[in-house]
Amino acid sequence: DGGITQSPKYLFRKEGQNVTLSCEQNLNHDAMYWYRQDPGQGLRLIYYSQIVNDFQKGDIAEGYSVSREKKESFPLTVTSAQKNPTAFYLCASSSLVSNNEQFFGPGTRLTVL
Amino acid sequence: AQSVAQPEDQVNVAEGNPLTVKCTYSVSGNPYLFWYVQYPNRGLQFLLKYITGDNLVKGSYGFEAEFNKSQTSFHLKKPSALVSDSALYFCAVRDMTDSWGKLQFGAGTQVVVTP
Repeated sequence: DGGITQSPKYLFRKEGQNVTLSCEQNLNHDAMYWYRQDPGQGLRLIYYSQIVNDFQKGDIAEGYSVSREKKESFPLTVTSAQKNPTAFYLCASSSLVSNNEQFFGPGTRLTVL
Repeated sequence: AQSVAQPEDQVNVAEGNPLTVKCTYSVSGNPYLFWYVQYPNRGLQFLLKYITGDNLVKGSYGFEAEFNKSQTSFHLKKPSALVSDSALYFCAVRDMTDSWGKLQFGAGTQVVVTP
């Protein structure tokens, strides 16, 4: 988990509310990623970014939004349009060297009440 | 398109016995392959990767994996399992030609090591 921080660790949201999950890295990595983890489904890619002010939709982007205003930060907003937001959210980063692994943060568990 | 299959939801092994976690993959080009481990309510920790060269890759905590191109497999192995190896293991693949660096993960295999 070193080098990437996510906050909060646990988050509770009422239906209809938007919430923002924080992800910060001090590894000087250009690329950052957001994944959603559900039991038995592995990790699914929500959004990813290689440079500041640019990002791409992943496999399950609907109901989510991101920004990349700084190299170190890649916050994820879970909007009210996301129908089933309860999940474990993981942020990752990597250098742009093609064979480098991704480094993961400790995750945020979001529960919709 | 790339995909990863981990055919076993759970692997049970006694402490001291060999541990194998299976992974097969599909990519259109040449693969980069990765294994990660996850402990409860934690992020993923990198174990090892295959990029090129020797088909047997050694990683952290005594784990190793063997790349088999003809069988499109990348099974994770440990000669002698420990109770502390009990965790969720993920295999991931990246197409070498994908400039975005996106990984495709398998569904995960829960490893349970009993004393």
